[in-house]
Amino acid sequence: AQSVSQHNHHVILSEAASLELGCNYSYGGTVNLFWYVQYPGQHLQLLLKYFSGDPLVKGIKGFEAEFIKSKFSFNLRKPSVQWSDTAEYFCAVNAQGNTPLVFGKGTRLSVIA
Amino acid sequence: GAGVSQTPSNKVTEKGKYVELRCDPISGHTALYWYRQSLGQGPEFLIYFQGTGAADDSGLPNDRFFAVRPEGSVSTLKIQRTERGDSAVYLCASSQRTGPQETQYFGPGTRLLVL
Repeated sequence: AQSVSQHNHHVILSEAASLELGCNYSYGGTVNLFWYVQYPGQHLQLLLKYFSGDPLVKGIKGFEAEFIKSKFSFNLRKPSVQWSDTAEYFCAVNAQGNTPLVFGKGTRLSVIA
Repeated sequence: GAGVSQTPSNKVTEKGKYVELRCDPISGHTALYWYRQSLGQGPEFLIYFQGTGAADDSGLPNDRFFAVRPEGSVSTLKIQRTERGDSAVYLCASSQRTGPQETQYFGPGTRLLVL
């Protein structure tokens, strides 16, 4: 069965600090990879996704993620966080072909001024 | 365009009661998913519809849970004899069937509280 591990439960950063959130998955086949974000009081929104091709993918709001197949990882990065990035971030994976997403437990990011 | 909508946004019920949660997917999306998110956890899969039929219901926790999508659009998740442990946010997502690469778009969820 697939599983997703997010290493950090809660991350606190100052504005302008760099961000990296870890995500590892376990699955032997071809996967799609996603990062979703949930801002306070809002619903899950897609931040970025990887299907195939260039392993470095860019998403909205300056976020990017790198797929490293040999490490089964899909870490999320942002060079300089803003207060408005305060949210919960979820990594998710599914096997290609309309299958359910498997989510990690999420990482809560708090950005302080 | 309009996103996935879910009603009600909040539902409070008593233990043992029956509840129905509704999901209206993005127009034209043939795939529809239900997930459940408990406090401090990521969403967990319940059931997946492709058109009118349930293609995968392996995530339903027991036979008190049932979902339908009679016309291939709106779906209803039904929970019988609710228990306090059913309290969670129930999320619906929809997607277009575009082959192996698919993006699911989520609704705002229904927060269910069983007293």
